[in-house]
Amino acid sequence: DTGVSQNPRHKITKRGQNVTFRCDPISEHNRLYWYRQTLGQGPEFLTYFQNEAQLEKSRLLSDRFSAERPKGSFSTLEIQRTEQGDSAMYLCASTHVGEGNEKLFFGSGTQLSVL
Amino acid sequence: AQKITQTQPGMFVQEKEAVTLDCTYDTSDPSYGLFWYKQPSSGEMIFLIYQGSYDQQNATEGRYSLNFQKARKSANLVISASQLGDSAMYFCAMRERERDDKIIFGKGTRLHILP
Repeated sequence: DTGVSQNPRHKITKRGQNVTFRCDPISEHNRLYWYRQTLGQGPEFLTYFQNEAQLEKSRLLSDRFSAERPKGSFSTLEIQRTEQGDSAMYLCASTHVGEGNEKLFFGSGTQLSVL
Repeated sequence: AQKITQTQPGMFVQEKEAVTLDCTYDTSDPSYGLFWYKQPSSGEMIFLIYQGSYDQQNATEGRYSLNFQKARKSANLVISASQLGDSAMYFCAMRERERDDKIIFGKGTRLHILP
């Protein structure tokens, strides 16, 4: 068990470019979340998956954001036509639903800077 | 409306004193779970404690306890005998099991432990 892995750790991009982040959850975790966090704020829910099914995408999220979890294992989060307001830490977390308190295990995050 | 409210943006506490971090929540779901996470300046999210809505006893984990007052919809975190290493951001989170089953976070409280 190597924990939740996120890549890259840092991403610097120019406004208008597309970016993609990857999350590898703890193996056998069936639920995966994506959150966005800005400095001094709490994690903001973006979307979550149960196995490969996307259960919900935040209504606050524009159509430029999309996420997949094609085989119920790793997940990708893509942001198209990035804007400066997308600059944030993007956190992935996973858990196994059905085992009690189902606490989230977080990755180290991907820090996105849009210039 | 905020589902999770943490009214203390920042707190200063003397080392070795006990500290209470406030969290109130809003739900009509009869089955829910409440979590507390710690985020030090290093950025990692550390799970501290969990309380289920049907749990009869208040949760405890070492120096952490959760003061669960269901009628008041309050789930305050109590840290006994605070240590310098407790300085961090603290987030309260909730999972509404019947509504949408996702985990959402409050805005957090920054705790400073003074030597």
